[in-house]
Amino acid sequence: NAGVTQTPKFQVLKTGQSMTLQCAQDMNHEYMSWYRQDPGMGLRLIHYSVGAGITDQGEVPNGYNVSRSTTEDFPLRLLSAAPSQTSVYFCASSYLGGGATDTQYFGPGTRLTVL
Amino acid sequence: KQEVTQIPAALSVPEGENLVLNCSFTDSAIYNLQWFRQDPGKGLTSLLLIQSSQREQTSGRLNASLDKSSGRSTLYIAASQPGDSATYLCAVNTGTASKLTFGTGTRLQVTL
Repeated sequence: NAGVTQTPKFQVLKTGQSMTLQCAQDMNHEYMSWYRQDPGMGLRLIHYSVGAGITDQGEVPNGYNVSRSTTEDFPLRLLSAAPSQTSVYFCASSYLGGGATDTQYFGPGTRLTVL
Repeated sequence: KQEVTQIPAALSVPEGENLVLNCSFTDSAIYNLQWFRQDPGKGLTSLLLIQSSQREQTSGRLNASLDKSSGRSTLYIAASQPGDSATYLCAVNTGTASKLTFGTGTRLQVTL
């Protein structure tokens, strides 16, 4: 049981390039989400999904795209990278999706730098 | 809009001390509150989850309390150890599709 995995661990992009951050979980969780962590601002929700084929926007969705074709995978796409997207990105998943006992599990993160 | 505040932002204590980390939130309509630990350059590890109907949860040397009506939670760490050095984050779940609102964390250093 690997939990939540993320690739790559580190990435450097030039402004305007596109890329996909990968996230996978093997716990059969319905709920998955993406957060970004910036110094002094805490983690902020980018996009989330409550099941395959269903996605929605979080607090800071601009510049990011997601899709959920399987229960296991939830990739995050940067369409045209900007320096403001330099951050650490975390993927999370949980089983119940909103229930009072819903513990969320986080991946190890992807550290992205946009030059 | 839910806002979560953690005080202090940083804390340094000698080994063996008991300590309390604070978390406050503005909207008391929450499903649960989670405390996480984050080591430098690493992901988040869930420490404790308190449901909205609960007053406290314990795991080993950790005890988390919740006072929903006043919008406060505390994380109590007993007999601190150097291995407890990390950033501690609290997050509230308002129940809308498991969306978490995070505080900015308390960076704890336990010295020998």
